[in-house]
Amino acid sequence: DIQMTQSPSSLSASVGDRVTITCRASQGIRNDLGWYQQKPGKAPKRLIYAASSLQSGVPSRFSGSGSGTEFTLTISSLQPEDFATYYCLQHNSYPPWTFGQGTKVEIK
Amino acid sequence: QVQLVESGGGVVQPGRSLRLSCAASGFTFSSYPMHWVRQAPGKGLEWVAVISFDGNNKYFADSVRGRFTISRDNSKNTLYLQMNSLRAEDTAVYYCARAGWIAGRQFFDYWGQGTLVTVSS
Repeated sequence: DIQMTQSPSSLSASVGDRVTITCRASQGIRNDLGWYQQKPGKAPKRLIYAASSLQSGVPSRFSGSGSGTEFTLTISSLQPEDFATYYCLQHNSYPPWTFGQGTKVEIK
Repeated sequence: QVQLVESGGGVVQPGRSLRLSCAASGFTFSSYPMHWVRQAPGKGLEWVAVISFDGNNKYFADSVRGRFTISRDNSKNTLYLQMNSLRAEDTAVYYCARAGWIAGRQFFDYWGQGTLVTVSS
């Protein structure tokens, strides 16, 4: 099984800050990675697919990069509505599909 | 628009059974593989099971294999998860999710709102 290691597990940031979250895969997964945002009590929402493609309707302050084993999600200027938990998902080698452990973005 | 609505969650004693349903609308249900993904309270996301579009192929996470079964009724646009021999560690919100495809690889593109299963005596 492919293990996804996401870091940090949590971070505190202020509105307007640049935020970067990292996911590392235990083996190469090409660019078969997505990023999801989850707010409390809600289902996950897809932000990024194919590692760097922005889902339709998602603000351009979100971006993704990486290929192989290392990936990043960047929020260029954090907005109040971005405080949430973010997960990466590998969909290269399955089953099982595997998620990172999540990164909770909190208000500083 | 795509809608997935889960139901059937509740409180159940350890060792007992429960069946979850997921009613789909807004797309051709019989053309898509479907998944169950769960999230224990305060924890991360865990993939549980997948069923092919025609129901002929099914795969499970190690943590539920042999206890859970997945099925679908394409005439009713409904996905099911039969959960037997439930354990405390099965306590979670269960989401159904539709499969999407990118470059030949399957992921989750639409999710339901989830249904909470609590296993407790």
